[in-house]
Amino acid sequence: NAGVTQTPKFQVLKTGQSMTLQCAQDMNHEYMSWYRQDPGMGLRLIHYSVGAGITDQGEVPNGYNVSRSTTEDFPLRLLSAAPSQTSVYFCASGVDLNQPQHFGDGTRLSIL
Amino acid sequence: AQTVTQSQPEMSVQEAETVTLSCTYDTSESDYYLFWYKQPPSRQMILVIRQEAYKQQNATENRFSVNFQKAAKSFSLKISDSQLGDAAMYFCAYRSFFTSGTYKYIFGTGTRLKVLA
Repeated sequence: NAGVTQTPKFQVLKTGQSMTLQCAQDMNHEYMSWYRQDPGMGLRLIHYSVGAGITDQGEVPNGYNVSRSTTEDFPLRLLSAAPSQTSVYFCASGVDLNQPQHFGDGTRLSIL
Repeated sequence: AQTVTQSQPEMSVQEAETVTLSCTYDTSESDYYLFWYKQPPSRQMILVIRQEAYKQQNATENRFSVNFQKAAKSFSLKISDSQLGDAAMYFCAYRSFFTSGTYKYIFGTGTRLKVLA
């Protein structure tokens, strides 16, 4: 049972480039979410999904897009990378929000 | 809007001693869930303990227990018999009802716990 799998683990981009962070879970969880973790700011919610075909914005959605075409996958797209998006990104999933969330190992993203 | 505050950026504890990490939150909801997550240097987020607001009894998980004071909106984590492996960043989290009709998590800024041998 792999749990929540994030790829890549590390990535360096140039300003203006686009890329997609992948997140997949094999636990048939309805709820999935993306967070960014910055020093001194804890985890901040970017986007979340309560099921396939349903997504919504979190606290810091600007510059990011998501889609949820299947229950298993919830990719996060950076449209035009900016240095302010340098962060560690976590994907999480859960049966619902009353249950503990399962986190991936994170992706460390640096924008030059 | 709901908020979660962890006022201790860093704490230290001697091995085998007890330490308490503080968390306060602000909410107008009557029913909610609270969580403590641990993030070791490996960066993986690991659930430590969960508390349902409607339950009077404080949650306990082996050496980890909480002191849940609903009226005071306080949710502290007590770690007994601290071990070197407890060294990590600890995050308090609140399950919030979002205005769009769905729920989300709100995390505190974390407390870094150092365990001294």
